[in-house]
Amino acid sequence: ETGVTQSPTHLIKTRGQQVTLRCSSQSGHNTVSWYQQALGQGPQFIFQYYREEENGRGNFPPRFSGLQFPNYSSELNVNALELDDSALYLCASSFRQASTDTQYFGPGTRLTVL
Amino acid sequence: GQNIDQPTEMTATEGAIVQINCTYQTSGFNGLFWYQQHAGEAPTFLSYNVLDGLEEKGRFSSFLSRSKGYSYLLLKELQMKDSASYLCAAPSDTGRRALTFGSGTRLQVQP
Repeated sequence: ETGVTQSPTHLIKTRGQQVTLRCSSQSGHNTVSWYQQALGQGPQFIFQYYREEENGRGNFPPRFSGLQFPNYSSELNVNALELDDSALYLCASSFRQASTDTQYFGPGTRLTVL
Repeated sequence: GQNIDQPTEMTATEGAIVQINCTYQTSGFNGLFWYQQHAGEAPTFLSYNVLDGLEEKGRFSSFLSRSKGYSYLLLKELQMKDSASYLCAAPSDTGRRALTFGSGTRLQVQP
């Protein structure tokens, strides 16, 4: 069974640029959630995708957007990058979309915005 | 809304027992998760409690009191590899499908 994978591992961008992060869900999981984790903080929910549609969203601006593909993999896109977007971006997959279902996390993408 | 509080840091000795507390405030209750996160790595699932009481899984146990809005994670026979952050998380009660995390408790195990 393959776990959750994310790419790239690390990324450096400059302010104003755009970035795309990728996630492959664990085998058999149809739901992907994205979280942002600042240094020394717990993860913060960005949004969730289920059956290729956004299924819930946290307090993040519209410049954070995403996609889910038929194979349940997902992308997180961030436009007009700001310095505060520097963080670890975590993808988590689950068997169903209920928040009570255990979410399994990928290793994350460390984004640095200069 | 939801609010989750945990101590920021704890230190314990190898071989000892440590208890990491978590208090939560939610308008609806859907259980409580504990995750372990080593520095620079992904959070890994430890436990999910939805009923009151203690659940044991090897060296790790998790306790829940719904009436008190309180949970703890108990780690026995501490090992150096247990040095990590421990995250308490509650499922969303707003239909956002989210997990709301506390800031995490950084545990340092000393020889």
